[in-house]
Amino acid sequence: AQKITQTQPGMFVQEKEAVTLDCTYDTSDPSYGLFWYKQPSSGEMIFLIYQGSYDQQNATEGRYSLNFQKARKSANLVISASQLGDSAMYFCAMREGEGAQKLVFGQGTRLTINP
Amino acid sequence: ETGVTQTPRHLVMGMTNKKSLKCEQHLGHNAMYWYKQSAKKPLELMFVYNFKEQTENNSVPSRFSPECPNSSHLFLHLHTLQPEDSALYLCASSLRVADTQYFGPGTRLTVL
Repeated sequence: AQKITQTQPGMFVQEKEAVTLDCTYDTSDPSYGLFWYKQPSSGEMIFLIYQGSYDQQNATEGRYSLNFQKARKSANLVISASQLGDSAMYFCAMREGEGAQKLVFGQGTRLTINP
Repeated sequence: ETGVTQTPRHLVMGMTNKKSLKCEQHLGHNAMYWYKQSAKKPLELMFVYNFKEQTENNSVPSRFSPECPNSSHLFLHLHTLQPEDSALYLCASSLRVADTQYFGPGTRLTVL
């Protein structure tokens, strides 16, 4: 079974609208971490936001927030007031287990912001 | 320079060539990683180094040979590669192995 599932291969959004990128995960370990990265066409993976499995509140970083629904095993990324520069690939990733060194990535979602 | 740097940014090599990819991090981190990103496949972890010691080899073929002389530098030595090895190779680092990983810009490798 896939550890990280991103069901939206591509999304198109109007500038200034909010957008939600879906991510579901699969683990039986009670301790895990969830990450979102942005990859522009230049190739670099840019860290956006992190949510720990024991965190009580949803993580937020500027215009990015993580809608963490533990029972549903989902960790959707919400981008508010989208900008043209938000156009990129977005990857959800999971670190499974306390002290684990391995990150498992999803297939990614290509987000395009239209002017 | 700040962050994680990788050189070269682009590399074209024949199957009989030997080349090396270089990664350097200026973040004071202790763990470094090599990932492979092929078209239409998720990012795949290749190697992990923690305090210069290799702690993970994700069943990578021996034609890829990593080297970590110190906590700031990581190399990936390439020899007798195959066309299917063409991909974006990303280096990352983290303060400790379970911490957030920060990536370099990658090396786009084409094997002819």
